[in-house]
Amino acid sequence: GAGVSQSPRYKVTKRGQDVALRCDPISGHVSLYWYRQALGQGPEFLTYFNYEAQQDKSGLPNDRFSAERPEGSISTLTIQRTEQRDSAMYRCASSIFWGAGNEQFFGPGTRLTVL
Amino acid sequence: QQQVKQSPQSLIVQKGGISIINCAYENTAFDYFPWYQQFPGKGPALLIAIRPDVSEKKEGRFTISFNKSAKQFSLHIMDSQPGDSATYFCAASETGANNLFFGTGTRLTVIP
Repeated sequence: GAGVSQSPRYKVTKRGQDVALRCDPISGHVSLYWYRQALGQGPEFLTYFNYEAQQDKSGLPNDRFSAERPEGSISTLTIQRTEQRDSAMYRCASSIFWGAGNEQFFGPGTRLTVL
Repeated sequence: QQQVKQSPQSLIVQKGGISIINCAYENTAFDYFPWYQQFPGKGPALLIAIRPDVSEKKEGRFTISFNKSAKQFSLHIMDSQPGDSATYFCAASETGANNLFFGTGTRLTVIP
């Protein structure tokens, strides 16, 4: 079956523009996670959903970042008024259920570059 | 503040050798410790994981050793192969939480 997919794979934008990053989790997976991965670093947690409910957004850096998963499947991470420091790989993951021990399956990521 | 510290940053091993990657943590509430393998252009993929009720877990050529008192855990890759060349991340999380805290990664190169 298909894994986690993300689009676009690459996004180049100018400072001040808004961007929307899409994640399509594995079908049937209840939990969906967003991470940000800087070059040479491990993924850093941003937020996660169970079904359509955002359970934890403690990792979102500031109020320019928001995420939604309105129908409990596809999720969108939106960054408003992008800044150069937002440049990173944004990764989505999903798991069949929530809780430590449930394997998180990661997507290929969206490489965001803010000029 | 890095919740999980990983070393070395990079590692070069001869084919057939043993690769060892180490991680340390401070949060005693962590009770799930997975290792992820990441190939270039791909997302991380779960390799092996351990809970603190055991000191060792082995799956094929991959072994996790866990030292609860020292708050350390390590990944051992026996008979390392060129196909094992990848970046390895240790991670940790706690029951009741869902986010993983990742180490900074180790880039492993296995020389034929």
